[in-house]
Amino acid sequence: SQQGEEDPQALSIQEGENATMNCSYKTSINNLQWYRQNSGRGLVHLILIRSNEREKHSGRLRVTLDTSKKSSSLLITASRAADTASYFCATDFRGNTPLVFGKGTRLSVIA
Amino acid sequence: EPEVTQTPSHQVTQMGQEVILRCVPISNHLYFYWYRQILGQKVEFLVSFYNNEISEKSEIFDDQFSVERPDGSNFTLKIRSTKLEDSAMYFCASSVEYSNQPQHFGDGTRLSIL
Repeated sequence: SQQGEEDPQALSIQEGENATMNCSYKTSINNLQWYRQNSGRGLVHLILIRSNEREKHSGRLRVTLDTSKKSSSLLITASRAADTASYFCATDFRGNTPLVFGKGTRLSVIA
Repeated sequence: EPEVTQTPSHQVTQMGQEVILRCVPISNHLYFYWYRQILGQKVEFLVSFYNNEISEKSEIFDDQFSVERPDGSNFTLKIRSTKLEDSAMYFCASSVEYSNQPQHFGDGTRLSIL
């Protein structure tokens, strides 16, 4: 399977703590994207990181990409209860292929 | 901020019936997609559409499925003869370009086949 796989499957933290989620994949990619899904809602795009980039930031989000290890991580700093959601990585393998999603990490932030 | 809208939010249909799910992509986007998510499982690609034709489709997108852009704004997914296993959330997405651009998703249609 070429899909990304997130780790852990579920994560529960206290408000204010940092949350780190990891994604691994098996073949070379063109880019990797992170999405958030609140319960019963659609996916919201968070960050896209290209294969020649190593790190990107967006507000409290930090994404890293290690193509040698075929892995990416999403760090949410100073988490809030509103960050409670499922987080998915999605890989774009050839630049002209549809996104392939992992199974997601369910993040619970407890106030 | 412009968004992708999907209707209906919930569709209940008898097995064997035809169903049409509707989407209005973001107006300046050129690429359109359908995905589905069976309860508790990952999001799966169904089909992509560009320039009034299918660009790519997955194994799931068999002869029972079809897509259409009947006018300048709507993008529809039709399932001709629904099966119980078609029960899922169906998400429409659109993007400006096919590569290296985020896809913008609607909130989905929950399809329940009885």
